[in-house]
Amino acid sequence: KAGVTQTPRYLIKTRGQQVTLSCSPISGHRSVSWYQQTPGQGLQFLFEYFSETQRNKGNFPGRFSGRQFSNSRSEMNVSTLELGDSALYLCASSPDVETQYFGPGTRLLVL
Amino acid sequence: AQSVSQHNHHVILSEAASLELGCNYSYGGTVNLFWYVQYPGQHLQLLLKYFSGDPLVKGIKGFEAEFIKSKFSFNLRKPSVQWSDTAEYFCAAQRSTGGATNKLIFGTGTLLAVQP
Repeated sequence: KAGVTQTPRYLIKTRGQQVTLSCSPISGHRSVSWYQQTPGQGLQFLFEYFSETQRNKGNFPGRFSGRQFSNSRSEMNVSTLELGDSALYLCASSPDVETQYFGPGTRLLVL
Repeated sequence: AQSVSQHNHHVILSEAASLELGCNYSYGGTVNLFWYVQYPGQHLQLLLKYFSGDPLVKGIKGFEAEFIKSKFSFNLRKPSVQWSDTAEYFCAAQRSTGGATNKLIFGTGTLLAVQP
């Protein structure tokens, strides 16, 4: 089976712009979770989607949003980018509440 | 509040030395526990997991971990490390509530450098 794929792999944006990141889970997995990884804060949970519904949400401002499509693919959007949003954004998929498998991440740099 | 603590931020070992990385969690209720590894330039990979049953779990590449409920600990061990074990290691916890969420709480990570 193919692993979790994320696009794009690298992204450079400027403050105030918005960005959309995409994640394709492992075939058959219905749960997709997003995490932000930074040197200062480590790995932090953003949100989780299961069967197109947001099942859980972390402590991030409303500028961070996401959605899941009927084919389980997921997107996350960050509006009004700030310098502090520079991070590696990881997507993880799972069949249900089980082990999560991580993708390679999208590295976002905000200038 | 839910939290996971990893006591060692940086560990340097010589090849063939034994490894033990500490992990403690603070969680209400029962938890599932994981160790993930991130090799340089690669994505997070699962080393091992504990859901229930035998508290001593074995993972890939010779790693094992022991769940000690009374100490809220899930330490990672390997009897003899190799240069290829150089990586960052993350302990993580997940609420075990029968299907509610996959949310993982991660520790801050331990950077392991193995000298040849």
